Amino acid sequence: SQQGEEDPQALSIQEGENATMNCSYKNSINNLQWYRQNSGRGLVHLILIRSNEREKHSGRLRVTLDTSKKSSSLLITASRAADTASYFCATDSGSRLTFGEGTQLTVNP
Amino acid sequence: KAGVTQTPRYLIKTRGQQVTLSCSPISGHRSVSWYQQTPGQGLQFLFEYFSETQRNKGNFPGRFSGRQFSNSRSEMNVSTLELGDSALYLCASSLGLTVRDTQYFGPGTRLTVL
Repeated sequence: SQQGEEDPQALSIQEGENATMNCSYKNSINNLQWYRQNSGRGLVHLILIRSNEREKHSGRLRVTLDTSKKSSSLLITASRAADTASYFCATDSGSRLTFGEGTQLTVNP
Repeated sequence: KAGVTQTPRYLIKTRGQQVTLSCSPISGHRSVSWYQQTPGQGLQFLFEYFSETQRNKGNFPGRFSGRQFSNSRSEMNVSTLELGDSALYLCASSLGLTVRDTQYFGPGTRLTVL
């Protein structure tokens, strides 16, 4: 089974609103990554946060990591229709990347 | 720099046949990983190759195999296809210098088994 589990499974918001997606995992990690996938295409790396970091920013993206709760969140601010995609967290426990099942984000214009 | 390329992009096969998918990594990347993506199972790790050696393997039957060439290009092979092998197959390349560098994904090969 996937180590990372995203929540919610689906999210629908209006353009301009913020979108928050959560990821929980079970085992210890070296780092956690977030990826985006447009329908039926390859994944695009968004951001990596290391286990000793608590927060990281990249443009309109903000990622937090709470290793005590084994959880991470991805915040997309001022969302745009082009942000519509599936978002996956991936955990690195040392031997491989394990992906969650993803959150389908729909941003309505 | 050119991105990861995968060929073919689409493939239709029938049960019992075999298939070979190809992945060309970003120039300079030595690690290639393969994933299977299906609506029911999500993204499942198949295997990883680094410098022509399989470094890591997922939980798939022996019908799934792969290899990597000296130029880092990789192929995966699925023999005796089953209906459940219908999926999007993604490869990803990375420098491979640390255990988990950022992975760069190709567009995928959509395999349909009839």
